[in-house]
Amino acid sequence: ETTLTQSPAFMSATPGDKVNISCKANKDIDDDVNWYQRKPGEAVIFLIQEASTLVPGISPRFSGSGYGTDFTLTINNIESEDAAYYFCLQHDVFPYTFGQGTHLEIK
Amino acid sequence: QVQLQESGPGLVKPSETLSLSCSVSGVSINTDSWTWIRQSPQMGVEWIGYISSRGNTNYNPSLKRRVTISRDTSKNQFSLNLYSVTAADTAVYYCARDVVRGGLHYGMDVWGQGTTVTVSS
Repeated sequence: ETTLTQSPAFMSATPGDKVNISCKANKDIDDDVNWYQRKPGEAVIFLIQEASTLVPGISPRFSGSGYGTDFTLTINNIESEDAAYYFCLQHDVFPYTFGQGTHLEIK
Repeated sequence: QVQLQESGPGLVKPSETLSLSCSVSGVSINTDSWTWIRQSPQMGVEWIGYISSRGNTNYNPSLKRRVTISRDTSKNQFSLNLYSVTAADTAVYYCARDVVRGGLHYGMDVWGQGTTVTVSS
């Protein structure tokens, strides 16, 4: 099973900040990583596919990078609406596995 | 627009069966694969398994002995049965579409809102 280690588990940011969320795999998974956002009571939103491709309709303030074992979700110019839980997924091999998630708080 | 909606009991007794359904609109479940995922504070987010456009299934080995995913194409729905549940199965359960192109899986793009299931007597 492929393990994804996501960090940090919790972070706090101020509007206008830039934040980075890391997702590290214990084996090479090419670019088979997606990123998601979840807010309580709402459907999960698909942000980034194939490590770095922005999903249509998602704000360009979101970006992804990485290949192989190290991946990063970056949120530029943080807004209050970005307060949410973010998590990564590897779909390189079954069973799919997820990072432990990051709770982002906006001050 | 593709939409998914989970439904089922919010409370299940220990040792009984957790049964959920997912209604899909906007696309036929005869395309792509259809997936169940759960999230709990203890386990984080966990992939449970999928049923393919052809009706084949693939389960997480950690749950394989206790899980069945099935579908009703006439209703455009798919379902989850998780047997012999314990408190550890308390979680928010999500259904989602797993995009398949050329036989390759690309992960989930559209998710339901999730439904909370508590296992307790």
